[in-house]
Amino acid sequence: DQQVKQNSPSLSVQEGRISILNCDYTNSMFDYFLWYKKYPAEGPTFLISISSIKDKNEDGRFTVFLNKSAKHLSLHIVPSQPGDSAVYFCAATWKGAQKLVFGQGTRLTINP
Amino acid sequence: SAVISQKPSRDICQRGTSLTIQCQVDSQVTMMFWYRQQPGQSLTLIATANQGSEATYESGFVIDKFPISRPNLTFSTLTVSNMSPEDSSIYLCSVGPGAGPGNTIYFGEGSWLTVV
Repeated sequence: DQQVKQNSPSLSVQEGRISILNCDYTNSMFDYFLWYKKYPAEGPTFLISISSIKDKNEDGRFTVFLNKSAKHLSLHIVPSQPGDSAVYFCAATWKGAQKLVFGQGTRLTINP
Repeated sequence: SAVISQKPSRDICQRGTSLTIQCQVDSQVTMMFWYRQQPGQSLTLIATANQGSEATYESGFVIDKFPISRPNLTFSTLTVSNMSPEDSSIYLCSVGPGAGPGNTIYFGEGSWLTVV
């Protein structure tokens, strides 16, 4: 049972445009969400997070939106840069949990 | 964020052998976790390494296959025992004050194991 789903395995965006990565979840207990970026043969790097009491969190070029009623969150990157090319993982957790539940990842490619 | 060092970063292992991965953190952390990422798959939690007590394993993972030590608040090891090609994965050490809301889990660089 995949509790966190990233239905797009890959996404290609032109440099300078907006990249939108999507994530859906099924477990209503999740109340904290994180996005990680991962380059090949490296560990995931934390990007941004959002609590369920918010619907938006912004950090520089990165903004995460949360729609609790739809159990959906998205990561917006604007403007997209070549260095943003990586695999992006959505993760979720809940109060009292001891683990993160990850999605399958979306490979983002930024084209010059 | 903490600096997390893993050894080895990469290894090629013979089927049936065991390998121990070390994780060193530059500061004391409450929680240490071990994740696995099989090729083309997502990250999956293997276990939580508890300081001074046995690790807590997730469903599908057992101590005989993945023994874990955590002798102090800055160090942990994960052993992959009696390896088979299905164990070829990136093994990731992660740390944080906890995995609950408001806490961020940070990851090491990973140990990439290939079993032949």
